[in-house]
Amino acid sequence: EDQVTQSPEALRLQEGESSSLNCSYTVSGLRGLFWYRQDPGKGPEFLFTLYSAGEEKEKERLKATLTKKESFLHITAPKPEDSATYLCAVLNLYSGAGSYQLTFGKGTKLSVIP
Amino acid sequence: SQTIHQWPATLVQPVGSPLSLECTVEGTSNPNLYWYRQAAGRGLQLLFYSVGIGQISSEVPQNLSASRPQDRQFILSSKKLLLSDSGFYLCAWSLVVSTEAFFGQGTRLTVV
Repeated sequence: EDQVTQSPEALRLQEGESSSLNCSYTVSGLRGLFWYRQDPGKGPEFLFTLYSAGEEKEKERLKATLTKKESFLHITAPKPEDSATYLCAVLNLYSGAGSYQLTFGKGTKLSVIP
Repeated sequence: SQTIHQWPATLVQPVGSPLSLECTVEGTSNPNLYWYRQAAGRGLQLLFYSVGIGQISSEVPQNLSASRPQDRQFILSSKKLLLSDSGFYLCAWSLVVSTEAFFGQGTRLTVV
């Protein structure tokens, strides 16, 4: 069974204090890993897609990296507006009926204090 | 650009009542469409996905059903709601199954 574990569950940072969020996964054949940001009461907002180990993507203060077992979301000099829950999801595709399998982690709730 | 609309934003329904949540996508053709449920303290759970009109795949047995009557319309239904159906329901779309999905703003359903 595919599993996705995000850590920590919650993270409090001072404004400007850089840190990393972790997403470790166990899948039989990774076809893609996605990062999302979710604000309270809203739908997830897409951030990054990573397809292969060694790949990196950047957007403003965020940088996502991927290895064969985990992904990191690095946040550099965060601001209060970066406060949100960050979700990762892994995609596996199986042959035959019901072949789509996207498994989400429970998320990391990030709070950035001014 | 593509946009996804999902309504209503909030809904309070009595146990045993029917349910119909609607989702539409604009700006793309033949999208893959998805219904997810997000319960407190749990990850997003895929309920249904569709790769085309009339084609629905169900991921978990439940009190819900889905239909895709038009290319860019996806409907989540129930004949009789249970208390356990309460949650945050999200519709999403993607170009193909191997690419990122884009989510609507969600419907908060409370069954009382």
